[in-house]
Amino acid sequence: DQQVKQNSPSLSVQEGRISILNCDYTNSMFDYFLWYKKYPAEGPTFLISISSIKDKNEDGRFTVFLNKSAKHLSLHIVPSQPGDSAVYFCAAIYSGAGSYQLTFGKGTKLSVIP
Amino acid sequence: DGGITQSPKYLFRKEGQNVTLSCEQNLNHDAMYWYRQDPGQGLRLIYYSQIVNDFQKGDIAEGYSVSREKKESFPLTVTSAQKNPTAFYLCASSMGLGFSPDYGYTFGSGTRLTVV
Repeated sequence: DQQVKQNSPSLSVQEGRISILNCDYTNSMFDYFLWYKKYPAEGPTFLISISSIKDKNEDGRFTVFLNKSAKHLSLHIVPSQPGDSAVYFCAAIYSGAGSYQLTFGKGTKLSVIP
Repeated sequence: DGGITQSPKYLFRKEGQNVTLSCEQNLNHDAMYWYRQDPGQGLRLIYYSQIVNDFQKGDIAEGYSVSREKKESFPLTVTSAQKNPTAFYLCASSMGLGFSPDYGYTFGSGTRLTVV
């Protein structure tokens, strides 16, 4: 039973345009959501997070939107750059569970075309 | 600089052999985790440990074993019982008892294990 779903395995975007990566979740207990970026043969690096009490968090070119009623979040990258080409993982956590265990989606591979 | 070190980066194992992957962190994090990444599968949790001398099975623990004798170290042994061990293995750590939503986990750079 997949609690965090990234239904698009891949996405291609022109340089300078907006990239929108989507993520859906099923567990209403999740209270924090995070995005990680991963290059091949490297470990994921933290990108941005959002608390369930917010609907938007922004950090430079990266903005995450959360729609709790739809159990949906999205990562917007504006403008997209070739260096953004990577696999993006959505992750969620229920911080009250005590284990601080992140649940990851399967990832979306973003390709930014120069 | 603080971080997580995984070694080796590439590892080859013959069928029927056990092999141990190293993970060391100097972040003073309480919790450590092992994930496995396969193409199209995302990150799947193998084992995690919140404190020294304690660890819990994740979603795919069969064929693996771990130990947590020191806060800094969380080695993973891939045993001969693991049916399909060829994968990319990632170690991570977090504050554990004090989860920080700003940082989540810190990951190592991974070990690519290939069974030959």
